[in-house]
Amino acid sequence: GAVVSQHPSWVICKSGTSVKIECRSLDFQATTMFWYRQFPKQSLMLMATSNEGSKATYEQGVEKDKFLINHASLTLSTLTVTSAHPEDSSFYICSARLARVSYNEQFFGPGTRLTVL
Amino acid sequence: QKEVEQDPGPLSVPEGAIVSLNCTYSNSAFQYFMWYRQYSRKGPELLMYTYSSGNKEDGRFTAQVDKSSKYISLFIRDSQPSDSATYLCAMITSGTYKYIFGTGTRLKVLA
Repeated sequence: GAVVSQHPSWVICKSGTSVKIECRSLDFQATTMFWYRQFPKQSLMLMATSNEGSKATYEQGVEKDKFLINHASLTLSTLTVTSAHPEDSSFYICSARLARVSYNEQFFGPGTRLTVL
Repeated sequence: QKEVEQDPGPLSVPEGAIVSLNCTYSNSAFQYFMWYRQYSRKGPELLMYTYSSGNKEDGRFTAQVDKSSKYISLFIRDSQPSDSATYLCAMITSGTYKYIFGTGTRLKVLA
């Protein structure tokens, strides 16, 4: 149980275009999902927290107009990279929170590799 | 100073060796400590989590937390080439859901 999927797994786009990445919790409902960014040989950096039915909370330094997050249902959050540039090329990983009695466990998706030409 | 420090490696060991991976942290409010394994170009998968201080064992993996020293460890016994991956520590305070990750240690187990 607690499986999170991402689509697409890999996307190549031209500079200036927009790219949408989907994150789905397959067998549980997630009121909270998270979007991370990971550069090669670096750790996961939290970009934003996505709450179902409300606006996302962005971390300091993350442009909310560039990285649009929509959490329209309890099983789906989307990240849209608008007007993508080569410096946006990265590995984007989502996670979904499953609230347990003990702690808030996050289940991670397989990631989406974005390459902007 | 980063909240969580982790040696990025790479760490190369022969098959069968005992591997020790470590993280130090500065925030004494952290109460839950996790270890994730991440294969290249894949999402992290949870290996173990520990609450507060103490040891936890699961098969070949043992997690240790020493809150007095703000130091956590993951031990892998009888390491296998399939253990070659990046290992990330993560921490969280009680009542919150924002994980703080270490930079990850790249491990290579040589056959």
